[in-house]
Amino acid sequence: DAGVIQSPRHEVTEMGQEVTLRCKPISGHDYLFWYRQTMMRGLELLIYFNNNVPIDDSGMPEDRFSAKMPNASFSTLKIQPSEPRDSAVYFCASSRRTSGANVLTFGAGSRLTVL
Amino acid sequence: AQSVTQPDIHITVSEGASLELRCNYSYGATPYLFWYVQSPGQGLQLLLKYFSGDTLVQGIKGFEAEFKRSQSSFNLRKPSVHWSDAAEYFCAVGAWGGADGLTFGKGTHLIIQP
Repeated sequence: DAGVIQSPRHEVTEMGQEVTLRCKPISGHDYLFWYRQTMMRGLELLIYFNNNVPIDDSGMPEDRFSAKMPNASFSTLKIQPSEPRDSAVYFCASSRRTSGANVLTFGAGSRLTVL
Repeated sequence: AQSVTQPDIHITVSEGASLELRCNYSYGATPYLFWYVQSPGQGLQLLLKYFSGDTLVQGIKGFEAEFKRSQSSFNLRKPSVHWSDAAEYFCAVGAWGGADGLTFGKGTHLIIQP
C-alpha cells in the first residue's frame, strides 16, 4: 500500500490567495482526519470524516477554512483567503476503526507558508 | 475533554543509554493510548498502542510503554538508544467508543549525543 498521500508537500503563497491541500487516504479506510501542526499549538484536529461525511468540524479555525471529501479516495482542505497565521504543516490521516478504536496512519504533510 | 501532557520539551541522551519519555493523560473514561514518532520533514509514524490487557506494550524499533492507570501515565522507554532515534515523540489519547479523533501532547524532542 502506498500509504496516505498528500500534495503538495510544500506551498508558498501570498496573503489573500486561495490554497488547496489534497489527500488520498489508504484504500479501505473509512475515516479521514485533517490536523494542523504549529510550534505554538502543536497538533490540532481540524475536521474528520467517516464514510465521506463530515462528522466533527469544531476544530476548523474560521470560515476561511473548508474541507470536502467527494469520494472515498480523495479529500481537500481549502483556505480562502489565506493569511500569514495559517502558515503551518497540515497533515492528513486515515484509519479503519477496529474494536472501538481508531489507529491513525499519517501522510507526510503539506508545509504551507503564507507571506 | 481529554488532554495529554508531555512535561519534557527536550531530552538529551547519550547513545547507548536508556531512555524514558513521560506522558500523562486526562480522560474520564477508558482511554486508548499511543506513541508516535516524527522525523524531520516527515509524517507521524506509530510506535505502539495500548487498548486493553497487558499494561506493558511492545512496539517497533525496540520501544516499549507502560500504562499506569493510578498515575494516568503512559511512559515510553527504550533500554539503549541509537543515533537514529533522534526525533520528535508524541503521546496521544483517544476515547474508547467515543469521539474518533486523537488528542496529542505537544511532543518531546529527543537529542542523541555521540
